[in-house]
Amino acid sequence: GENVEQHPSTLSVQEGDSAVIKCTYSDSASNYFPWYKQELGKRPQLIIDIRSNVGEKKDQRIAVTLNKTAKHFSLHITETQPEDSAVYFCAARFAGSYQLTFGKGTKLSVIP
Amino acid sequence: GAGVSQSPSNKVTEKGKDVELRCDPISGHTALYWYRQRLGQGLEFLIYFQGNSAPDKSGLPSDRFSAERTGESVSTLTIQRTQQEDSAVYLCASSLGGGADTQYFGPGTRLTVL
Repeated sequence: GENVEQHPSTLSVQEGDSAVIKCTYSDSASNYFPWYKQELGKRPQLIIDIRSNVGEKKDQRIAVTLNKTAKHFSLHITETQPEDSAVYFCAARFAGSYQLTFGKGTKLSVIP
Repeated sequence: GAGVSQSPSNKVTEKGKDVELRCDPISGHTALYWYRQRLGQGLEFLIYFQGNSAPDKSGLPSDRFSAERTGESVSTLTIQRTQQEDSAVYLCASSLGGGADTQYFGPGTRLTVL
């Protein structure tokens, strides 16, 4: 079935450095790719998303890139801050479905 | 406006008991989704509602799981004869329509089956 793989599972960076999280997906017809941030005990919050007709999208310190040929998309966080520490989930919406298929998450720790 | 709300926030039950989890979507959102999140894991899709019909129930793990929705409002997820492996956080999300992209999540119900 449809699948989303996310790497790495944990990531530690120094404050001010960049963090990159990568996801690959199985269905080449997938059309929507959101990223959610989940702090401990809290609900997942959408931080950025990208559609299949766009290659890159930026929002301040956060950017997402999509490579449809390789079927992967990545989250880039620049100038990381301690409050960026959380679990980040990528997801994909596969063709013909409405639900999201999630990766297993990346625990990001930003060390002051 | 108000976001997605869920109740109860925590539920502890004994193995074999039935439980009901409630979700109140954002007003005006016609699409509603249930997901399950096991400890340290990603979110697993359970069921999707468009209005009060469920065109996709493919994620329900067994016939002990069922869900219903009243109109374009409240949804309840029922788990009968709970098992320890049902312990997880159950998250509800809603979106403006079935084709709308952004899903907004509720805070979840943490279910513990003893």
